[in-house]
Amino acid sequence: DGGITQSPKYLFRKEGQNVTLSCEQNLNHDAMYWYRQDPGQGLRLIYYSQIVNDFQKGDIAEGYSVSREKKESFPLTVTSAQKNPTAFYLCASRLDSYSYNEQFFGPGTRLTVL
Amino acid sequence: GQNIDQPTEMTATEGAIVQINCTYQTSGFNGLFWYQQHAGEAPTFLSYNVLDGLEEKGRFSSFLSRSKGYSYLLLKELQMKDSASYLCAVRDNDGSGGSYIPTFGRGTSLIVHP
Repeated sequence: DGGITQSPKYLFRKEGQNVTLSCEQNLNHDAMYWYRQDPGQGLRLIYYSQIVNDFQKGDIAEGYSVSREKKESFPLTVTSAQKNPTAFYLCASRLDSYSYNEQFFGPGTRLTVL
Repeated sequence: GQNIDQPTEMTATEGAIVQINCTYQTSGFNGLFWYQQHAGEAPTFLSYNVLDGLEEKGRFSSFLSRSKGYSYLLLKELQMKDSASYLCAVRDNDGSGGSYIPTFGRGTSLIVHP
């Protein structure tokens, strides 16, 4: 079955620690995205990648970093510089960046920083 | 960028019809998406409109008026399982190097009562 997986579903970390969230897709999609969702805020774009070995900052990139070394993988690191990291993180992919096609979302990771 | 507005919350009765509105302002419209998101889960694609008019898909329909910057999602024969958040997302022409990434509204939480 094709799809997007994110792991883990729930993650707890102490303040000041970096943490990496996993996102894998086997849909052969070129484009991948990371969003953050807070209550009442909708989805806000953190980083996106249109193709392997390329990525761009989204609207709220400060305190986050990404890599895109393989087409199927787009991990997100939440660094200690992110002031309010507790949130629900969603990864998405799309066939490509240019046509109408919709985004497919992973199940999300809920990060809680204690 | 876009300015997207949706009602925060709506309630309706099982078996009824509900209309969820979305208004937007954008410099160069290039499509509007509706997604459904159950609490704690991934958003799932419902519909895409790029031309004016009504798109029907079973119990769900989506309408677009580009001149008015307005869309609505119509849900018929409501079921309890339709209780979810409904996200409106607008894509514009700029796409920051051709990325064409949609911007999401804050979502409308729909509560269906028996």
